[in-house]
Amino acid sequence: AQSVSQHNHHVILSEAASLELGCNYSYGGTVNLFWYVQYPGQHLQLLLKYFSGDPLVKGIKGFEAEFIKSKFSFNLRKPSVQWSDTAEYFCAVKINSGYALNFGKGTSLLVTP
Amino acid sequence: DTGVSQDPRHKITKRGQNVTFRCDPISEHNRLYWYRQTLGQGPEFLTYFQNEAQLEKSRLLSDRFSAERPKGSFSTLEIQRTEQGDSAMYLCASSNTQGTEQYFGPGTRLTVT
Repeated sequence: AQSVSQHNHHVILSEAASLELGCNYSYGGTVNLFWYVQYPGQHLQLLLKYFSGDPLVKGIKGFEAEFIKSKFSFNLRKPSVQWSDTAEYFCAVKINSGYALNFGKGTSLLVTP
Repeated sequence: DTGVSQDPRHKITKRGQNVTFRCDPISEHNRLYWYRQTLGQGPEFLTYFQNEAQLEKSRLLSDRFSAERPKGSFSTLEIQRTEQGDSAMYLCASSNTQGTEQYFGPGTRLTVT
């Protein structure tokens, strides 16, 4: 079945620690890839997206993600997290010919001072 | 604020009642999407409009659910004969013609008692 898997459901990090959140998908063909973030009490916001080209994508607030086609992965990274990065992070995949975003279950990140 | 807006933000209803939610997309966006999000899950696609045409519906959209976008601007999502399993956050998103990025509204949280 087609799916999006986020391996870490809850992550707790200290400030300045490095972050990597895993995302794997099982869709064939050309896909568009996204990471969305939901800060407490706020709506979903786009962090970054990949459509084509350089597989290393840079987004807002120092986040980046790497598309590895052979591994069907799109992992999110940040070298040094801040308390303000505490949020829910969602990976999403859109089939190139489709309309819907297919989301993973999300990863809850808590950054402690 | 030129973002996606949704009304109401919260709705509590008794089982068996009908409810209707409204979504106002970003004004220049001709694509509109509805998603549903339950606790601990990522958003799940419900339906998609391009202008006033409903072009895709998920199998999640049972016969009790109906969505409209009569003039290609705002959209409504109606749930008839609500059930406790309908309790969720209902999210609306919009995008431009290219559909490269979906902008999400704050959602309507439905509680069916």
